Amino acid sequence: AQSVTQPDIHITVSEGASLELRCNYSYGATPYLFWYVQSPGQGLQLLLKYFSGDTLVQGIKGFEAEFKRSQSSFNLRKPSVHWSDAAEYFCAVVFYGQNFVFGPGTRLSVLP
Amino acid sequence: DTAVSQTPKYLVTQMGNDKSIKCEQNLGHDTMYWYKQDSKKFLKIMFSYNNKELIINETVPNRFSPKSPDKAHLNLHINSLELGDSAVYFCASSLGTGQSNYGYTFGSGTRLTVV
Repeated sequence: AQSVTQPDIHITVSEGASLELRCNYSYGATPYLFWYVQSPGQGLQLLLKYFSGDTLVQGIKGFEAEFKRSQSSFNLRKPSVHWSDAAEYFCAVVFYGQNFVFGPGTRLSVLP
Repeated sequence: DTAVSQTPKYLVTQMGNDKSIKCEQNLGHDTMYWYKQDSKKFLKIMFSYNNKELIINETVPNRFSPKSPDKAHLNLHINSLELGDSAVYFCASSLGTGQSNYGYTFGSGTRLTVV
């Protein structure tokens, strides 16, 4: 069965530092890939998505993600983190004929 | 204008009660969903409706019954509430399903606490 893993449960970075959140999926085919952010007490907001084409995709709030087929990965990056980026981040995939599968989430804390 | 709106935002109720959560989307999407987010933040799909028809019904107790009067609304009714039902319930909508799904738009969630 398909699965999505986010190896890091909790990451802490200093404000202004760079960030990379990891996401891996297991399945044969290439899925559609998404990153969502959930701020405390809020719903989930779509940051970016990958369907096909250029493997480096740009999203909102200065985030980008790179799809690497050989590694079955879709890691989220930001060059300089802001305190307002502290939130829970979810990777999600959808495979052909299936529905969304969410990863377990990575909680990001930002130190001043 | 809120794209996907859920009411209520908070719901505290006693065990054994029956309650409903309402969801409406004004995006013109044809598919709507209910997700349950547990205390560990894990998101699990419960139901999916496409144009008022049920297309996904995961292993959910039959105390949970979704109702879709039209494609802009998907309500969730829960009978005989139990302590384990305490969670945040998210409604979402999307244009298309499966791999024609271009991403969900989520509501802000309903935090249900059963005491």
